[in-house]
Amino acid sequence: DAMVIQNPRYQVTQFGKPVTLSCSQTLNHNVMYWYQQKSSQAPKLLFHYYDKDFNNEADTPDNFQSRRPNTSFCFLDIRSPGLGDAAMYLCATSRGRAVSYEQYFGPGTRLTVT
Amino acid sequence: KNEVEQSPQNLTAQEGEFITINCSYSVGISALHWLQQHPGGGIVSLFMLSSGKKKHGRLIATINIQEKHSSLHITASHPRDSAVYICAVRPKGNTDKLLFGTGTRLQVFP
Repeated sequence: DAMVIQNPRYQVTQFGKPVTLSCSQTLNHNVMYWYQQKSSQAPKLLFHYYDKDFNNEADTPDNFQSRRPNTSFCFLDIRSPGLGDAAMYLCATSRGRAVSYEQYFGPGTRLTVT
Repeated sequence: KNEVEQSPQNLTAQEGEFITINCSYSVGISALHWLQQHPGGGIVSLFMLSSGKKKHGRLIATINIQEKHSSLHITASHPRDSAVYICAVRPKGNTDKLLFGTGTRLQVFP
């Protein structure tokens, strides 16, 4: 089945130790999104790629970076994780930006920072 | 104040009950989504609507654009419906972004 896959599902990292989260999709969608969701809060968009075009949200900390080497894969890099970065990180894809296109979400990666 | 508000925040029900979850928003929108998030994180899109009403199985979603309000109904609720239900809107003129509500946690007991 076509889907959005996130690895790993659970990630533990140490304070200040760089960490990379992975998202892949078999849907051949043009748009890939990264969201951060803290406990009992709504998901918050960090950035998204439309094809190779990177779009950063204004309030996304510089500590968060992203790479999209090809259509299928997108990575979230956290350069120096702080305790406040512990959250669920959700990847989503969409065929395009038009209103009629739904977003398809992956299962998420739960990040713990010790 | 969040631009997308949901009520109630928490909801418990007995199996078989009719459930209603409400979503109000304060911005002009081009579409509204209802999403389901199970423990463990994964989000599933239930509905995307911009007018009227949609039905899928025991789930019904309605939207009133003039009143900036949407409802999600679950008929004959079942314990497997227990999840967090999230309302998200796509603001008019900004096709890149979804604004999310904080979700309604539903627990259905046998």
